[in-house]
Amino acid sequence: NAGVTQTPKFRVLKTGQSMTLLCAQDMNHEYMYWYRQDPGMGLRLIHYSVGEGTTAKGEVPDGYNVSRLKKQNFLLGLESAAPSQTSVYFCATSPPMAGREYEQYFGPGTRLTVT
Amino acid sequence: GEDVEQSLFLSVREGDSSVINCTYTDSSSTYLYWYKQEPGAGLQLLTYIFSNMDMKQDQRLTVLLNKKDKHLSLRIADTQTGDSAIYFCAEGSGYALNFGKGTSLLVTP
Repeated sequence: NAGVTQTPKFRVLKTGQSMTLLCAQDMNHEYMYWYRQDPGMGLRLIHYSVGEGTTAKGEVPDGYNVSRLKKQNFLLGLESAAPSQTSVYFCATSPPMAGREYEQYFGPGTRLTVT
Repeated sequence: GEDVEQSLFLSVREGDSSVINCTYTDSSSTYLYWYKQEPGAGLQLLTYIFSNMDMKQDQRLTVLLNKKDKHLSLRIADTQTGDSAIYFCAEGSGYALNFGKGTSLLVTP
């Protein structure tokens, strides 16, 4: 099993460009999450999904959109990239076991630089 | 995670014990977690503790929970250079985890 994979691993964008980050999981988990990690800031939740076809905003959703058309995939879109979106992006999944839905499994991350 | 606080750095000698501390604010958290992040990698679940437990031991790892003081600690016995990493404390909050900013553990020979 591949677990949680993220595509691409690295990307450089110019200000104003758009891109989509793909998260894929083969663990049949219901919940999926997108975080960003910045130095000294820890991890901040961007958007999350509790099942196919549903999404919700997290702590820092502005400038991002997401879609969960298939259970195994969670896409994060940047419509018009800004330098403030330079970060490392992590996808995570968790199983819907009562009380343990917070037990998250992380992908390897995507390092995005916006110039 | 401004509601979860950790010290930023800890340096220990190889073979000593490491203790990483964390305080949290959400008393309704069912589980509390410790994650490990090695350089250039994602976070890896290290261990967790149910909120009605005081202690959990897993090989070299001991988790202590003081629910009254909302204080969580992770003790690593016989710390090795391979334990050098960033350690994140996290509490369950809604559908997602609320992370601390992480403690960088440096193990010196």
